Amino acid sequence: GPKVLQIPSHQIIDMGQMVTLNCDPVSNHLYFYWYKQILGQQMEFLVNFYNGKVMEKSKLFKDQFSVERPDGSYFTLKIQPTALEDSAVYFCASSYGLGGSSAETLYFGSGTRLTVL
Amino acid sequence: QQQVRQSPQSLTVWEGETAILNCSYEDSTFNYFPWYQQFPGEGPALLISIRSVSDKKEDGRFTIFFNKREKKLSLHITDSQPGDSATYFCAASPNTNKVVFGTGTRLQVLP
Repeated sequence: GPKVLQIPSHQIIDMGQMVTLNCDPVSNHLYFYWYKQILGQQMEFLVNFYNGKVMEKSKLFKDQFSVERPDGSYFTLKIQPTALEDSAVYFCASSYGLGGSSAETLYFGSGTRLTVL
Repeated sequence: QQQVRQSPQSLTVWEGETAILNCSYEDSTFNYFPWYQQFPGEGPALLISIRSVSDKKEDGRFTIFFNKREKKLSLHITDSQPGDSATYFCAASPNTNKVVFGTGTRLQVLP
């Protein structure tokens, strides 16, 4: 099936540093998402992105967070500066159409485990 | 505020039994409910989904029962197999791009 690739699979950084998480979505997909998961528990919605713009974001999407997809390359999540509570697994997803409709499925990557020391 | 709740948090059944996973929601604008299956070290993958105009959706051993009035739904896994051991997420959406996930149920199927 369609594959979403996330790079790197693990990232360890010191608190206060900047980190960029990379996502290579399914090639013809138009909508992109980031979710945060802690300890294998609930998937928390962070943000969705379409046509170069953030469409919707949650309270978890702090001012230190930003997303972009320059020129159809990687869809990235940047955190600057990082905090201890940012430690989690971050999942990228993509969909062709509206991800909340029965016609369109969200396809998830395998996640990037971020550890902030 | 937790918009989508799941119970139990964890569930253990024997191979061949039926596992029942419960889900409830609060937002009456939710009209699409996908269930995602997640294995350790992987991202969630869509398992089965239902729209609020239906009260039942079946796909092989997996069936969703939906009660719109009570804002509840359940996933039934019949003839459970050890390979079904995973975390199951009930999710909900008002037909926008924001898909809200529940708290998850960790299922273990013993051989």
